[in-house]
Amino acid sequence: AQSVTQPDIHITVSEGASLELRCNYSYGATPYLFWYVQSPGQGLQLLLKYFSGDTLVQGIKGFEAEFKRSQSSFNLRKPSVHWSDAAEYFCAVAQPGSGNTGKLIFGQGTTLQVKP
Amino acid sequence: DAGVTQSPTHLIKTRGQQVTLRCSPKSGHDTVSWYQQALGQGPQFIFQYYEEEERQRGNFPDRFSGHQFPNYSSELNVNALLLGDSALYLCASSPLDRDTEAFFGQGTRLTVV
Repeated sequence: AQSVTQPDIHITVSEGASLELRCNYSYGATPYLFWYVQSPGQGLQLLLKYFSGDTLVQGIKGFEAEFKRSQSSFNLRKPSVHWSDAAEYFCAVAQPGSGNTGKLIFGQGTTLQVKP
Repeated sequence: DAGVTQSPTHLIKTRGQQVTLRCSPKSGHDTVSWYQQALGQGPQFIFQYYEEEERQRGNFPDRFSGHQFPNYSSELNVNALLLGDSALYLCASSPLDRDTEAFFGQGTRLTVV
């Protein structure tokens, strides 16, 4: 069965420190890959996506992610975390093809806390 | 562009009742998907609508049903509410004919008492 695993339920980093959030997926082929962020009581905002091509993708708010096919991973990184980055982060996959990006399989999420 | 809008934002219902949630997609999007997000969990796909038909469905019981209107807006209906239906319900829209990401609304927080 297709699945997404985010091994870290909760991460705390100091403001200005670097960040890496892990994501592993189980899928028959290379899926479309996404990272979304959710602030308390809010909907989901897309940070970045990977469909094909360059395996290092840049997103909004200074985030980037690297797709590693051999490891079935799509880890999210940021070189210097800001207090406003505190939120819930979700990794998600979708079957490649038009019309399929609305049917996402999400991980459990990682809660990021930022210490001053 | 108003993006994806959902109503109401909050709702309290009693066990056994029925509820209807509403979603207006982003301009230019013709496909609407619904998700259930329980507290502390990732969203789970309920179903997707395109051209007023259910296109795909996740692992949810028949108590969960939907509808899409000619203007692409959509409703999610849940019958015979259970306490376990308490969750944030998210709507997402996307265009069927392009490979692009889905856009999410702010959600409807449903509490069943």
